[in-house]
Amino acid sequence: ETGVTQTPRHLVMGMTNKKSLKCEQHLGHNAMYWYKQSAKKPLELMFVYNFKEQTENNSVPSRFSPECPNSSHLFLHLHTLQPEDSALYLCASSLTAGGATNIQYFGAGTRLSVL
Amino acid sequence: GDSVTQMEGPVTLSEEAFLTINCTYTATGYPSLFWYVQYPGEGLQLLLKATKADDKGSNKGFEATYRKETTSFHLEKGSVQVSDSAVYFCALSALDSGYSTLTFGKGTMLLVSP
Repeated sequence: ETGVTQTPRHLVMGMTNKKSLKCEQHLGHNAMYWYKQSAKKPLELMFVYNFKEQTENNSVPSRFSPECPNSSHLFLHLHTLQPEDSALYLCASSLTAGGATNIQYFGAGTRLSVL
Repeated sequence: GDSVTQMEGPVTLSEEAFLTINCTYTATGYPSLFWYVQYPGEGLQLLLKATKADDKGSNKGFEATYRKETTSFHLEKGSVQVSDSAVYFCALSALDSGYSTLTFGKGTMLLVSP
């Protein structure tokens, strides 16, 4: 148990569906992150929030829409996805997004399959 | 930009064998270096870290030394167990516009047989 909880653990959706991934952290952290993990590729950073403000958007397509209502919760809203978006989506948190020694704590991920 | 290169896997070993997973990096400035481990069906967990040159990170019998001269952070363990079977990720953290971001390698799968 890392203190970062992601739901759902598995999600199957069609290309026309709208769904949301949820991440919650109980560590008192102020920074939260979304990563995409695809087979045989390095983890890709998608979004970073620091004190609820988005500080990073790594050229992610607009069909992915993040939301951070407070420092403990992070959502990833999905709509009109493509099959190549099928991957493991990981959420992480850290004390802040500043400081190169900050340790990031990861959730178990949501395994997304787009049909 | 920053990058991390890890040896291709899978690495297949017998129990009690010696493990080395190579990791080299490219970065401007002085990054912090990490090894994360991902067990099947789980997220990534921090295994060990080093924040400056010549630092040695260690945990659960695993060690890695931050070598600035060779830009390396190789992971070692003297005697692996079946329970060490997992995917291991080398990563670096550097400041970019005041915010730290993690850059990961592709991961190396370790399979340990009894």
